Order: sequence, then structure tokens, then C-alpha cells
Amino acid sequence: GQNIDQPTEMTATEGAIVQINCTYQTSGFNGLFWYQQHAGEAPTFLSYNVLDGLEEKGRFSSFLSRSKGYSYLLLKELQMKDSASYLCAVRDRGNAGNMLTFGGGTRLMVKP
Amino acid sequence: IAGITQAPTSQILAAGRRMTLRCTQDMRHNAMYWYRQDLGLGLRLIHYSNTAGTTGKGEVPDGYSVSRANTDDFPLTLASAVPSQTSVYFCASSDRAGDGYTFGSGTRLTVV
Repeated sequence: GQNIDQPTEMTATEGAIVQINCTYQTSGFNGLFWYQQHAGEAPTFLSYNVLDGLEEKGRFSSFLSRSKGYSYLLLKELQMKDSASYLCAVRDRGNAGNMLTFGGGTRLMVKP
Repeated sequence: IAGITQAPTSQILAAGRRMTLRCTQDMRHNAMYWYRQDLGLGLRLIHYSNTAGTTGKGEVPDGYSVSRANTDDFPLTLASAVPSQTSVYFCASSDRAGDGYTFGSGTRLTVV
């Protein structure tokens, strides 16, 4: 099975930088995804890491260390609209397909 | 239709009643999934289908059934609804190449 942990809630200030951590345990790691979910809406894809290192997409970056079972999502120049839940999800090679297992999500509140 | 369409958007259902949640995609994705999202528990996989004609059980399949008669449609049926099935249900699809999921907008189901 898989175990995915991320903080339940975080608060940050508009314009600042915030790092959301995710740790996971899986027998056959085959990729890690980050999704953003605004309240009452569907999750939307943010980033994908399968190799170690940093992937940057504008204000958002995601980092992966497979040896440590660790990832983080870095949000720069925070905006009020970044207030949302951020979901870490892991794909396992043992899964019969492309299935993802999700963490419980981190609710980020951006304050003025 | 663009992406994934779920219906209904919300529903209040009497316990013991049968209900089918509809999901249709127009992206020709092979794989489709049903998740339920509950506060504090994140997204949990109910059933999946890697390709038309095949289905499999996820983490929480009891009380639910699915069918995949064609590529586009993946309905989820609750044979006899119970209050513990009160949740937000998300349908998702993915390309086998693994670009992550595209989610539908969700169905909010309340069983009373």
C-alpha cells in the first residue's frame, strides 16, 4: 500500500513564498503529482515529477527526492487567488493502470 | 462537451434508493476513475477502468458498481444508498501516457 502525508493547513502572506511538503511511502514509485483544488471545485493538475530534482512552471515549482520519499510544492509571489487546497498524489508501478493515491491535501490560506 | 461532464451536479437521495452518477468524456482517454472526497480523508478511489470493457476495484468499492461499455462513458451506481455514502464524487480520466488526471466538476450526493 501507500502512505502519503502532508500538512493539513498552512497560512501565508500575499507576496511571500510558501513551501508545502509531502512525504510518501510506496513499494514501486512511478511518479508524483500536485493538484490545486479551490473550494467547491474539481482538482486541477499543477505538476508532475518522476525524476529527482526541481520542475519549475512560472510561480510554481515542485521538487522530488525519491531516495527520501519526499516532495515539495513551492509557490512564489503568493496571490490571494492561491488560497486553495493542494493535493499530493503518487502513482505506484504496482497499480494495474495509471491510478493515483492522494494525500489528504493541504489547505493554504493567503492573507493580505 | 469539453473534457469530462458529470451529472447530476448535486442530489439528495433517500436511503435505500438506487442511484446512478453519470460521467462522460470526449478526450478519448482510455482510463477512467471514480473517487469520493470526504473532509479529512482526501480523495479515495472507488473503481477504475483501464480501457473499455474492463473495470477494477479501488480502495473503497463496497456498495458501488461501475460499467464501461464504451470509451466515453463510465457510470457509477449505488445499488442501495446509505448515509455513509454522502460525499462529493469525482470522475476522472487519463491518457495511458500518464499526464495526470482530468477531473469532472463533481457530484455532491447527500443520502438521508
